[in-house]
Amino acid sequence: QLQLQESGPGLVKPSETLSLICTVSGGSITSSDYQWGWIRQPPGKGLEWIGSIYYSGSTYYSPSLKSRVTISVDTSKNQFFLKVNSVTAADTAVYYCARLGHSRSLDYWGQGSLVTVSS
Amino acid sequence: DIQMTQSPSSLSASVGDRVTITCRASQSISTFLNWYQQKPGKAPTLLIFAASSLQSGVPSRFSGSGSGTDFTLTISSLQPEDFATYYCQQSFSRVTFGPGTKVDI
Repeated sequence: QLQLQESGPGLVKPSETLSLICTVSGGSITSSDYQWGWIRQPPGKGLEWIGSIYYSGSTYYSPSLKSRVTISVDTSKNQFFLKVNSVTAADTAVYYCARLGHSRSLDYWGQGSLVTVSS
Repeated sequence: DIQMTQSPSSLSASVGDRVTITCRASQSISTFLNWYQQKPGKAPTLLIFAASSLQSGVPSRFSGSGSGTDFTLTISSLQPEDFATYYCQQSFSRVTFGPGTKVDI
């Protein structure tokens, strides 16, 4: 059974960089059939797409976040990564990693990682 | 960017009710439309992909239909565990989510 697990600091200071890791287990991240994505959800609000990556390194970003976001992958560790630069309180959210499967649906999700931006 | 809207934003229903949620895209997305259920404090789970295909393990009381710009999610007989928030998501061009529909008692 495929599992995804987010990890990283739960508290980040304003203007600094938010960094998260998604570790994939129970399957390989190197399948060309899938993309691997990041989604976030501010407290009490809806879901926001951040971006995705193929194992080859090809990336696709939300236009609204593209200038501040980097997604990368390490196939040797079966992990992919999220960095968000110059964070503000508006970046406070639960961050999810997920797999994009059939019809680019998000068929496997991590449990989510709450990141709070505060001094 | 393709914008997604959902209606209603919330609804109250009873166990056994038939519930229909509508999702509309700002331009045609063929059948690149997926539906999710989210319960408080949990990650979303995939219900329907490609507009009408039931994800493995999802009860058959859930169904989806539509193509182009207009889509519906139907719960044929609402069960206690179905009280949750439902999101649509387009994957025709990048990914965008609808704002969600909260189903409560």
